[in-house]
Amino acid sequence: ELKVEQNPLFLSMQEGKNYTIYCNYSTTSDRLYWYRQDPGKSLESLFVLLSNGAVKQEGRLMASLDTKARLSTLHITAAVHDLSATYFCAVGLVSSGSARQLTFGSGTQLTVLP
Amino acid sequence: DTGVSQDPRHKITKRGQNVTFRCDPISEHNRLYWYRQTLGQGPEFLTYFQNEAQLEKSRLLSDRFSAERPKGSFSTLEIQRTEQGDSAMYLCASTSSGSGNNEQFFGPGTRLTVL
Repeated sequence: ELKVEQNPLFLSMQEGKNYTIYCNYSTTSDRLYWYRQDPGKSLESLFVLLSNGAVKQEGRLMASLDTKARLSTLHITAAVHDLSATYFCAVGLVSSGSARQLTFGSGTQLTVLP
Repeated sequence: DTGVSQDPRHKITKRGQNVTFRCDPISEHNRLYWYRQTLGQGPEFLTYFQNEAQLEKSRLLSDRFSAERPKGSFSTLEIQRTEQGDSAMYLCASTSSGSGNNEQFFGPGTRLTVL
């Protein structure tokens, strides 16, 4: 059974600092997704990583994928308060009809302090 | 361009009652997924449709849970004889089989509270 582990689960950081969230998974997959969720809201897609070595950046967030290590990272640069949210990684495994069934980690609750 | 919509947004019911939730995917998306999210956890996959065909339903939590997508557009998720443990956020997501990356777009969710 696929297991997806994120760490840390809770992260408080000062504005302007850098930090990395880690996502480890137990079964080979070439598809890794990052989502953001604000309290009481649904999930917003941030990044789709499709192959080993994939790196994507949007603003202060950068995501990477190492399929050999079964590891993805979400790096935060010079954090600002607006980045406070819960971040989920999800691994996509092929299901029936070639669709991808997502298995999510438990999430990292990020709080950026002034 | 409208996103995924779900109705109702909140549902409070008494234990033992049946509830039904509706999901309208993004119009050009032929794949539709249902997930359940409990407090402090990531979403958990329940079932998936491609067009009107339910291609994966082994993860539905019990035989009290059923889903339909009769015309390949909107979908419904029904829970019969609700239990307090069914209290959760039920999320719907959609994507297109032609997208290549299976990026799933989520709706706002239906929050179910079973008293």
